[in-house]
Amino acid sequence: DAKTTQPPSMDCAEGRAANLPCNHSTISGNEYVYWYRQIHSQGPQYIIHGLKNNETNEMASLIITEDRKSSTLILPHATLRDTAVYYCIVRVALHAGNMLTFGGGTRLMVKP
Amino acid sequence: NAGVMQNPRHLVRRRGQEARLRCSPMKGHSHVYWYRQLPEEGLKFMVYLQKENIIDESGMPKERFSAEFPKEGPSILRIQQVVRGDSAAYFCASSHREVSGNTIYFGEGSWLTVV
Repeated sequence: DAKTTQPPSMDCAEGRAANLPCNHSTISGNEYVYWYRQIHSQGPQYIIHGLKNNETNEMASLIITEDRKSSTLILPHATLRDTAVYYCIVRVALHAGNMLTFGGGTRLMVKP
Repeated sequence: NAGVMQNPRHLVRRRGQEARLRCSPMKGHSHVYWYRQLPEEGLKFMVYLQKENIIDESGMPKERFSAEFPKEGPSILRIQQVVRGDSAAYFCASSHREVSGNTIYFGEGSWLTVV
């Protein structure tokens, strides 16, 4: 799986959009971009994933650049409960057996 | 649809005892993964199993650790003769069989404390 680079920490004001960047310059054509988060003392929570196109669900939006070398996770209206470590992972997902490899992630602090 | 269920949530063992952690995957999922998170560290892959088969155990310590996923019942992660360094959060995850773009879902973890 391709390596990803994320800033170690970010702050965001409550109610504002949180934009979390991720670089994955060595991504292959069959690798998806996944985002998970881990709130303190909880299990990792799936947020969203995509291959080429931008994706949106009830939690977040995922913007993938045209060359697929970077992406941005957007939490449109951050709340205090969004404070967590956010992990960007690239993974070949053609087969269920490809496990997730977690890096250091970005520690997002949402402040009042 | 129930999520990935892990028990016990918290387990205290004395050095030298055995710890057994159980994981029931999401309904319809036949692939199970175990991860470990040491205090203040990241998530590390341990083992990947399908029913009655260990597919990848490249992250498992060579000794004292074993995992199984029987035909019936939950997946079990077993740690024999626990030591203080085994104190960690152990997360189980599951996914559906071979679906393109399939997603892995995690349980809430089992926290092992060795005293």
